Amino acid sequence: GAVVSQHPSRVICKSGTSVKIECRSLDFQATTMFWYRQFPKQSLMLMATSNEGSKATYEQGVEKDKFLINHASLTLSTLTVTSAHPEDSSFYICSARDGTRNSNQPQHFGDGTRLSIL
Amino acid sequence: DAKTTQPPSMDCAEGRAANLPCNHSTISGNEYVYWYRQIHSQGPQYIIHGLKNNETNEMASLIITEDRKSSTLILPHATLRDTAVYYCIVKNSGGSNYKLTFGKGTLLTVNP
Repeated sequence: GAVVSQHPSRVICKSGTSVKIECRSLDFQATTMFWYRQFPKQSLMLMATSNEGSKATYEQGVEKDKFLINHASLTLSTLTVTSAHPEDSSFYICSARDGTRNSNQPQHFGDGTRLSIL
Repeated sequence: DAKTTQPPSMDCAEGRAANLPCNHSTISGNEYVYWYRQIHSQGPQYIIHGLKNNETNEMASLIITEDRKSSTLILPHATLRDTAVYYCIVKNSGGSNYKLTFGKGTLLTVNP
């Protein structure tokens, strides 16, 4: 079945560091990828929608200059958390949908990245 | 997209069927019902989806009422590994808006 790979699975770094998270679709072409953030004991919150070859669409309240998204190919999207601070510590999850299939086909999720900023 | 209502938590004995309800009384004709689950510290896992007919796959069955205002996800023989938060999401399949909106879901605890 459809597989989405997310890397790294865990990052611990100092405040002020920029962190890049990769999301890859391994066996399908993902024209659209999504980035979510999940704080402890809360549900997933959509941060942005990433479209291959165009600018990402950010949800209200998400700073586009802080969370840089690049979707340069049909199998890779990256999220860069710039100048990360402790309040950015969270569980970041990506998902992807197969652009060659019907619009009702489900999205598939990566295993998430646990980001801890010291 | 229609809003869904799920109980916050449920318990089930190992080996028994787990029946997880979801209300979506404002669902419209072209909206699908999707079920995902999230095991602790992992990304969500797709389970099943349907429009109006009942669906079954290797993981679960999805029963949708005739008026489509509610549905039930059935795990026929729950195991300890099925302990997770289960999310019911209603999504319009048309247009270019593919966003999923996650509610709080149901925490299913399978007990030995």
